[in-house]
Amino acid sequence: GENVEQHPSTLSVQEGDSAVIKCTYSDSASNYFPWYKQELGKRPQLIIDIRSNVGEKKDQRIAVTLNKTAKHFSLHITETQPEDSAVYFCAARYNFNKFYFGSGTKLNVKP
Amino acid sequence: NAGVTQTPKFQVLKTGQSMTLQCAQDMNHEYMSWYRQDPGMGLRLIHYSVGAGITDQGEVPNGYNVSRSTTEDFPLRLLSAAPSQTSVYFCASSYSKAGGAEAFFGQGTRLTVV
Repeated sequence: GENVEQHPSTLSVQEGDSAVIKCTYSDSASNYFPWYKQELGKRPQLIIDIRSNVGEKKDQRIAVTLNKTAKHFSLHITETQPEDSAVYFCAARYNFNKFYFGSGTKLNVKP
Repeated sequence: NAGVTQTPKFQVLKTGQSMTLQCAQDMNHEYMSWYRQDPGMGLRLIHYSVGAGITDQGEVPNGYNVSRSTTEDFPLRLLSAAPSQTSVYFCASSYSKAGGAEAFFGQGTRLTVV
């Protein structure tokens, strides 16, 4: 199976600063890497994803990078805002849409 | 489209009781999965299905059963509830796409076993 590790578990930044969350995966067969944001008491929702044939993807203030050789991928949030405060999960898709998730990063953006 | 619908939202069980968590999706997705979410441990895969009549185990299947008789429904059964099964349960569905497609989550079921 797959194993996904995520760091850090908590991250506190000042509003306007950048935040970076890193994940590693174990199985080179994984080929799709989504990032989910989960607000307190809510369901996880996709914010960005990247496929294994792409090295970087951007969507406004968020970006994801993928290094297939090293088996790691990262989420970058620039110009953070208080509404970015949430728990973020990385995931790797392995075999028939089986998703394996990291343990989550609690991001706190201080105004 | 309602997306992925889970019932109930909250449930309290006594140790040893059984129950079924319901999950339904109206997006005609082939793939459906059940996850449990515990503090500090992310989402862990319990069981998943690649289509009607086909199910398989995930990372933490013990104590849970599933079946998939239709594309739309994927119920999760707790056979004999234990306090260790206290958790938030999420059902998710996704479609088949080369290179991957996002998983859509239900609103979750908060289960407490006393």
